[in-house]
Amino acid sequence: DVKVTQSSRYLVKRTGEKVFLECVQDMDHENMFWYRQDPGLGLRLIYFSYDVKMKEKGDIPEGYSVSREKKERFSLILESASTNQTSMYLCASSSAGGGLAKYYEQYFGPGTRLTVT
Amino acid sequence: QKEVEQDPGPLSVPEGAIVSLNCTYSNSAFQYFMWYRQYSRKGPELLMYTYSSGNKEDGRFTAQVDKSSKYISLFIRDSQPSDSATYLCAMSPLTGGGNKLTFGTGTQLKVEL
Repeated sequence: DVKVTQSSRYLVKRTGEKVFLECVQDMDHENMFWYRQDPGLGLRLIYFSYDVKMKEKGDIPEGYSVSREKKERFSLILESASTNQTSMYLCASSSAGGGLAKYYEQYFGPGTRLTVT
Repeated sequence: QKEVEQDPGPLSVPEGAIVSLNCTYSNSAFQYFMWYRQYSRKGPELLMYTYSSGNKEDGRFTAQVDKSSKYISLFIRDSQPSDSATYLCAMSPLTGGGNKLTFGTGTQLKVEL
């Protein structure tokens, strides 16, 4: 059973703090993704990674960075948290092979609700 | 204009009703279409996927794609309270986009007893 875990379910941080969100998957997936989910805006891709130490910007990378030092772990970093980064953050992973269905099926973690005050 | 439009609801139906959830899109390159279900305080999970146009059925769920109208639908027959969730459509162009997905904003569904 695929499992994607995120380090915290709820997090409250102050403006200007450096914030680390951790994601771990146990299915040996090559691809990992970070999204934020906001009412009325849906899921928006922040960054994704196709391999260890590889990263690519998504649609809204400003204010975020990522790190992937190990295949199973993908970290999202908010260098200096701001109130407009208050959101639900979702991590996902997917396989790089196995046909179209496997390629596109993303497995999501439970999310981290981050509040920046 | 968003690439993918989805009515946010909320949609409230009685148990046993047929539910129709829809998305429209503007990018004619989209060829792979998916529906995710997200229960409250959980991450989305894949429900169904279809490739190009046509229908696909899985139990009480039917996914339909009309590429000429850039319109996709998810039908739920004999809806149950356990179907209460937010339904997100997602799509990809297959080539040139890697395996990134573009998501709709989600439709919140409540099935009442």
